[in-house]
Amino acid sequence: DAKTTQPPSMDCAEGRAANLPCNHSTISGNEYVYWYRQIHSQGPQYIIHGLKNNETNEMASLIITEDRKSSTLILPHATLRDTAVYYCIVRVANNAGNMLTFGGGTRLMVKP
Amino acid sequence: GAGVSQSPSNKVTEKGKDVELRCDPISGHTALYWYRQSLGQGLEFLIYFQGNSAPDKSGLPSDRFSAERTGGSVSTLTIQRTQQEDSAVYLCASTPLMGSNQPQHFGDGTRLSIL
Repeated sequence: DAKTTQPPSMDCAEGRAANLPCNHSTISGNEYVYWYRQIHSQGPQYIIHGLKNNETNEMASLIITEDRKSSTLILPHATLRDTAVYYCIVRVANNAGNMLTFGGGTRLMVKP
Repeated sequence: GAGVSQSPSNKVTEKGKDVELRCDPISGHTALYWYRQSLGQGLEFLIYFQGNSAPDKSGLPSDRFSAERTGGSVSTLTIQRTQQEDSAVYLCASTPLMGSNQPQHFGDGTRLSIL
């Protein structure tokens, strides 16, 4: 699976959009971009995933650049409960093992 | 609908005792994964099950660890003769079909503390 690079931490004001970047310059054509987050003392929570098109769901939007070498997770109106560590993962859907590995992630702090 | 359920949520036991951790995956999910996460660390893969196929046990750290999945649904992870280094959060995840692009959905884990 391709390696990803994320900033270690970010701050965001409550009610504002949080834009979390992820670099995955070695991504392969059949690799998807997945985003998870982990709030303290909870299991990882799936947010969104995509291959090459931008995606939106009730939690967030995922913007993938045309060359697919980077992506941005957007939380449109961050709340205090969005404070968590956010993980960007790139992996092949049909990988035989299919297990997840998390890197360091971005610790997002939403402030009032 | 119900998510992945794990029990107990917390377990404290003495070194040398055996422990059993339980995972109820999302109904209809055929693939089930066990991971562990030490404090401040990433995920460590332990084992996965896919339908009736033989499980991939390649991540189990020692022969004190074993897991089974009965009836293709509930799974139990057993740790025998626990050691202090076994202290961690044990996470279970499930997905509809291994090899698809569908994401893994996690339970909140069992926090295991070995005294």
